[in-house]
Amino acid sequence: KAGVTQTPRYLIKTRGQQVTLSCSPISGHRSVSWYQQTPGQGLQFLFEYFSETQRNKGNFPGRFSGRQFSNSRSEMNVSTLELGDSALYLCASRSGPTEAFFGQGTRLTVV
Amino acid sequence: GDSVTQMEGPVTLSEEAFLTINCTYTATGYPSLFWYVQYPGEGLQLLLKATKADDKGSNKGFEATYRKETTSFHLEKGSVQVSDSAVYFCALSLIQGAQKLVFGQGTRLTINP
Repeated sequence: KAGVTQTPRYLIKTRGQQVTLSCSPISGHRSVSWYQQTPGQGLQFLFEYFSETQRNKGNFPGRFSGRQFSNSRSEMNVSTLELGDSALYLCASRSGPTEAFFGQGTRLTVV
Repeated sequence: GDSVTQMEGPVTLSEEAFLTINCTYTATGYPSLFWYVQYPGEGLQLLLKATKADDKGSNKGFEATYRKETTSFHLEKGSVQVSDSAVYFCALSLIQGAQKLVFGQGTRLTINP
C-alpha cells in the first residue's frame, strides 16, 4: 500500500509569489491534515480536510488556504509569500480518529 | 488549551545505554498519545501509540505507558543503537472534536558508537 505522497519535495520561491503544494493520501483515507514545521515554532497544525470540507483550522493568516478533491487528494496554497513562510510542510492522512500517517514533506524556501 | 511538554534536548548517549525521554501533557478531554520519530530530511514516522489510560505502546524496543494520574507518556528503550539517532516528538490527539495532533517541541537524540 503506497504511503502519503507529497509533491514537490523542494521549492524555492521569491517573496510575494504564491505556491501550491500537493498531497496524495493513503488509499482509502478521507482525512488530510497539513502541518508547518520550523525550527522556531516546531510543528503547528494548519488545517484538516475531510470529504472535501475543511473541518478544522489552525491559527494561521488567511494567506494559507487549502482544498480537497473528490479523490481525497489535497492541495495547500500560500499567497504573498514571506520569508517567515520558509518551512517544511507536512501532510498527514488518517482513516479514523487515531493515528496519522505523514508524507516526507515539501521543503519551501522563500528568498 | 491542549499542550505537550517534552524534556529539553539535545540528548547524547553511548550505544547500549538506557534511554528515557520525558513527555507530559495537558488536555481538556481524553487524548490518544503518540510518539513520532523524524530522521534527517524525512517526514514523521509513527513509533508507537496508546489510546487510553494504562495502555502501553511498544515498537522496535521502544515503550511508553499512558499514565493518566501523572498526565505523562515517557518514552523508554533499554539499549539504544546508533540507528536510533533522530528527533523524537510526543503528541496528543483528542478523539472527540478537533482531529488534530498537538506536538511537543521535539527531542534530538544522538547515539555515539
